[in-house]
Amino acid sequence: EVQLVESGGGLVQPGGSLRLSCGVSGFSFSGYWMSWVRQAPGKGLEWVASINEDGNEKYYVDSVKGRFTISRDNAKNSLYLQMDSLRGEDTAVYYCARGGRTKMPHWGQGTLVTVSS
Amino acid sequence: DIQMTQSPSSLSASVGDRVTIICQASQDISNRLNWYQQKPGKAPKLLIYAASNLETGVPSRFSGSGSGTHFTFTITSLQPEDFATYYCQQHDNLPPLTFGGGTKVEIK
Repeated sequence: EVQLVESGGGLVQPGGSLRLSCGVSGFSFSGYWMSWVRQAPGKGLEWVASINEDGNEKYYVDSVKGRFTISRDNAKNSLYLQMDSLRGEDTAVYYCARGGRTKMPHWGQGTLVTVSS
Repeated sequence: DIQMTQSPSSLSASVGDRVTIICQASQDISNRLNWYQQKPGKAPKLLIYAASNLETGVPSRFSGSGSGTHFTFTITSLQPEDFATYYCQQHDNLPPLTFGGGTKVEIK
């Protein structure tokens, strides 16, 4: 069974940092693109970032470029999102998802990030 | 960036109704379009990929069609478990991947 489990969310002050993790099981992690998608409270889905299989291609939505960094550790079956210089508008549930170059058939349950003083 | 315009933003329907949602792309995306269902407090679930392909395990009452800039998502006979929000998403041009604004399907 494919499983993705996010962790690392929480309350952080504006300007602060947070590192999200996504542990996966049930598939060959190193063979897939991976992505982060977020959803602000009461709002729609917004793609945040994607990374290719070996980590040498990374893409970001403009609003997080220079502040967020997507990475992966294929030996640990883990995906990461380092979030720096956080703003109120980054408050959202963050989902990790398998895929991104085409379809995203598997998603984690999400982790809530709240940016507030 | 490619913009995805989804309509309507919400609709009310009864069990057994046929429901149709439209997604319009701001430029030609061929068939590079997916449809997701999301229930409150849950992660999105992929229903349709490549515009018209049913994801494994998804009931056949769900279908998708279209290519280029105009896409349609249909539920042929709405079931109680189908009340949710539906999103289209293009993957023609990365970055960025873009989602439509969503369509909330509510009980009439």
